[in-house]
Amino acid sequence: KNEVEQSPQNLTAQEGEFITINCSYSVGISALHWLQQHPGGGIVSLFMLSSGKKKHGRLIATINIQEKHSSLHITASHPRDSAVYICAGLYNTDKLIFGTGTRLQVFP
Amino acid sequence: ETGVTQSPTHLIKTRGQQVTLRCSSQSGHNTVSWYQQALGQGPQFIFQYYREEENGRGNFPPRFSGLQFPNYSSELNVNALELDDSALYLCASSFGGFSYEQYFGPGTRLTVT
Repeated sequence: KNEVEQSPQNLTAQEGEFITINCSYSVGISALHWLQQHPGGGIVSLFMLSSGKKKHGRLIATINIQEKHSSLHITASHPRDSAVYICAGLYNTDKLIFGTGTRLQVFP
Repeated sequence: ETGVTQSPTHLIKTRGQQVTLRCSSQSGHNTVSWYQQALGQGPQFIFQYYREEENGRGNFPPRFSGLQFPNYSSELNVNALELDDSALYLCASSFGGFSYEQYFGPGTRLTVT
């Protein structure tokens, strides 16, 4: 079964905390997208990675191909980081399979 | 550079009707994909079009169909609407499929009554 599973489902943090969101995926998925969705629906692509690690500002994404696991880290979290974070796996190069999302709330 | 746009923003239809949603790709992008997102759930992949041809499809019935035009804009058509079709419909464009960054539109919220 083609699956992408995220954890945790919900996450609350105090401003400044280090955040980690996890994504596990099944065989057949060759790359991972990390997406951010704000209230109202708009989705922004954060990263697309098939190996190693990528960094953009306070965001870091890593992927371990052998373990079929990816993580999204947010350093020095801020209330504006509050959003739903979604990982999506690329299956067979022509399908995206989405996780259910992690709802993050960062309080001042 | 113009981003991805979708129209209409909101739409209310009656069960059994047909609907057409539209998406304009970001300039230079040749691939568009469509997603359905029910309230409180993650998006689900409907299909992708690359250079006017369908190039991948999720688990949606044939009453969900699409088109991509020579200017790479796209339509999603849904026939025989059902109540469960009520959702946010998102499109995303890219330079060449899912191996590239996806640029999402703001979505069309469809309500079926």
